[in-house]
This record gives sequence, structure tokens and C-alpha cells, in this order.
Amino acid sequence: QKEVEQNSGPLSVPEGAIASLNCTYSDRGSQSFFWYRQYSGKSPELIMFIYSNGDKEDGRFTAQLNKASQYVSLLIRDSQPSDSATYLCAVRGSSNTGKLIFGQGTTLQVKP
Amino acid sequence: SAVISQKPSRDICQRGTSLTIQCQVDSQVTMMFWYRQQPGQSLTLIATANQGSEATYESGFVIDKFPISRPNLTFSTLTVSNMSPEDSSIYLCSARPGSGGTDTQYFGPGTRLTVL
Repeated sequence: QKEVEQNSGPLSVPEGAIASLNCTYSDRGSQSFFWYRQYSGKSPELIMFIYSNGDKEDGRFTAQLNKASQYVSLLIRDSQPSDSATYLCAVRGSSNTGKLIFGQGTTLQVKP
Repeated sequence: SAVISQKPSRDICQRGTSLTIQCQVDSQVTMMFWYRQQPGQSLTLIATANQGSEATYESGFVIDKFPISRPNLTFSTLTVSNMSPEDSSIYLCSARPGSGGTDTQYFGPGTRLTVL
């Protein structure tokens, strides 16, 4: 079992729809959870982080964390073609090394 | 946040040679990391660059192949030694400012390496 798992996609949604990206992790003691966006040929860009169970909203983005289910998601409302990218889920586990474990990423395609 | 720059942005190298990649952060950071991202793949952590001491390498990566320096809190280098075509990849520097109790991590623009 991979430490952080994402569906590689592609996930295709029409413009204006809600895109839902999901991530599961294996380390039950994980502390911090991050979503990065990576455009083709570019480096990862931090979108959101979440530490506590529940929802965290920032503009069109909402991160959702459920530690009991070891599940974190990212919702993108009113999806735009410019949201088309690969979204990487990253988790800081229970060790004190400080390192992040990345999922393989989900490719999102927003069609006009 | 942290603004991170890397040099060079890209290079084409011959087999058997070495390349040193520089990473500069605009402010002091607690942790710096080096990642590799091969085409179509996610990020693989090479090592954690420790200030003033030897880097901590992940399984599958060794110091002889990927020597790392971190002389201060804003700068680090990664050398890819005795390169082969399999080393062709994007190498990313990352930094964690660590202020305010957060552990957010930011990435540099990457170095695209092609080995012929």
C-alpha cells in the first residue's frame, strides 16, 4: 500500500462545475496535509494546507480532512480552464523528520 | 512564505560528468530538501539538507552520487555525480520556513537536466 494515494486521472469536468480531488494516506498519525498545483513544465505551487478535521475554505478552493477515515480532499468550485493542472496531495507523517510524502498526483482537465 | 531560486534552470550534460545545482532562499529557513521528478511522475525526495552537517538521504540515494551541502540557512547545493542518461530529470529544491508553528513547504522553479 502506498503511503499517499491519489487517482491519477485524468479527471475531466466542464467549466463552471465543481472538481473533487481525493487523497488517502496510510499513516494514522499524520499531522499536516497539503495540496499543491503543478502546471506542465512548472514546479509545484502550494494551494492549501489543513491540519484539523473539517473544512477549510480559501476562495474557490475547499480542503476537507477526515482523520478517522484517513482521507483528505480538495474541492474546486466554478472550475476554470486555467485550473487544468496536476494536483499533488502531500502529507507530513508522524515521524519527526519533517519531510512530506507526495501522492502521484491527479490530472484535472477543465473543458470550456 | 519563501521565494526560492535555482541555478541553472536547465542543462544538457555528457555522460560521466557532474553538475552542481544551486538553491537560494530569500530568507532563513529551518529545513531544505532536494527532490527529483522524472517525466510524468510525482516527486521523489532525495535528501534533507542539514545546515552544518551531513544531509539525510532517502532510501535509494547515496552521498557519493548526490553530495549535498548546506553552509547556511539560506543556501544549498546538490551535485549529480558521474551522470548517466537515467539521471535525466527535473531536480527541485524545497524549503520550509518553519515560522509560526507551520510546516508549509515551498518549491523552487526546478532544474531540468538532460544527460546524453
